[in-house]
Order: sequence, then structure tokens, then C-alpha cells
Amino acid sequence: GAGVSQSPRYKVAKRGQDVALRCDPISGHVSLFWYQQALGQGPEFLTYFQNEAQLDKSGLPSDRFFAERPEGSVSTLKIQRTQQEDSAVYLCASNLRAFETQYFGPGTRLLVL
Amino acid sequence: AQSVTQLDSQVPVFEEAPVELRCNYSSSVSVYLFWYVQYPNQGLQLLLKYLSGSTLVKGINGFEAEFNKSQTSFHLRKPSVHISDTAEYFCAVSASAGNKLTFGGGTRVLVKP
Repeated sequence: GAGVSQSPRYKVAKRGQDVALRCDPISGHVSLFWYQQALGQGPEFLTYFQNEAQLDKSGLPSDRFFAERPEGSVSTLKIQRTQQEDSAVYLCASNLRAFETQYFGPGTRLLVL
Repeated sequence: AQSVTQLDSQVPVFEEAPVELRCNYSSSVSVYLFWYVQYPNQGLQLLLKYLSGSTLVKGINGFEAEFNKSQTSFHLRKPSVHISDTAEYFCAVSASAGNKLTFGGGTRVLVKP
């Protein structure tokens, strides 16, 4: 079956621009996670949804970062007024329910110039 | 809060030789443990996980890991590597199996012919 998909795969933004990153989880998966992976580092947790409810946003680095999942399926991570330190790969993962494996998408590589 | 330390950032190894990737964690609560592999330009793929039960866990592609609670370690091993095992490997922990993952910094494995 189809896995987790993310779009765009690559995004170049000028500093100060707003960007929107999309994640399509595996159909029927209840939980959805966003992670940020800086170059040469492990992924770091950003935020977590269960259906449309955002249950944990403790990892969002600033109020410029905003995520939503209005219908409990597709999710969008929005970054306002991008800064160079936002350059990273943004990974999305989903799982069917608690105690299930998280399945990761290929990521969106964001470069802020 | 949990943290994960991967002691080796890079591990060069010859084809058909054994490899061990070290992972230590700290946590004030019981954790679940995971190893993920990331091939170039691809998303993270689960190699194996420890939730409970036998401390020796077998995963895909001939990998195995052993959970050692007293040493707070979860080292990954493969008795004979292939060129195709060249990738980055991440150890991760979670306070619940369906919850957010805390990753280590990764170990890059380079298999030489």
C-alpha cells in the first residue's frame, strides 16, 4: 500500500518568506508526528496529532511554527518569516494507534537563503 | 525526559565483517527502544524495536539488538555486513510505544569492499 508522502520534496525560500509543508499519512492512521532533522543530526520532535487534535506541540521552536490537521488526515506544517536556522529536513510520520510502529515519509528538505 | 547517546558518529567496516553500533539512553521512566535506518534521500525505516519480553531482538536485514537495562544500553549488531548496509543508523526511545520518539545523533556506517 501507499506509504507516508510529503510535498514538496525540496523547497528553497528567501529569508522572511512563509512556507507550507504537506504530509499525507497512511490512510486510516490516527496519529501523526512532525520532526525536524538538521544537517548531520538526528530528528527532533516538533508536534503530534491524534486525529485532528494537536496533543503535544512542545517541540515547536518558536511561534513562527504552526501545524494543523483539520480533518484528521492530511497535515500542514507552516513556518512564517523563515530564518536561515530553519533550514533542515522536515519529516512526517504516522501510526495506526498507540503501541504501533511509526512510519516515516521521505521528508521535505527546506533551504532558507 | 529521555535522552539518547550514540557513541560513534562514523563506523567504517569491511564487507562481510561484523559491526556493532552503540546506543545508550537515559530516562526516569520505562522506555521502548528502536533502531531506524536512513538510506540516502530516503525516509527512516524501522529495523527493530524492543517493547517488552526477550531482551534480544531480531530485526530485518539480519540485524539484532540487545536491551540491557542495568547498563541502559541497546546496541545494534550484524554478524556480516554487505555494501548495501551503507547508511545512517539512528537509535531512538519513547516513553510509550506510540508516542514521540527521542533520537540519538546517528551513526554513519560505511561498508568498504
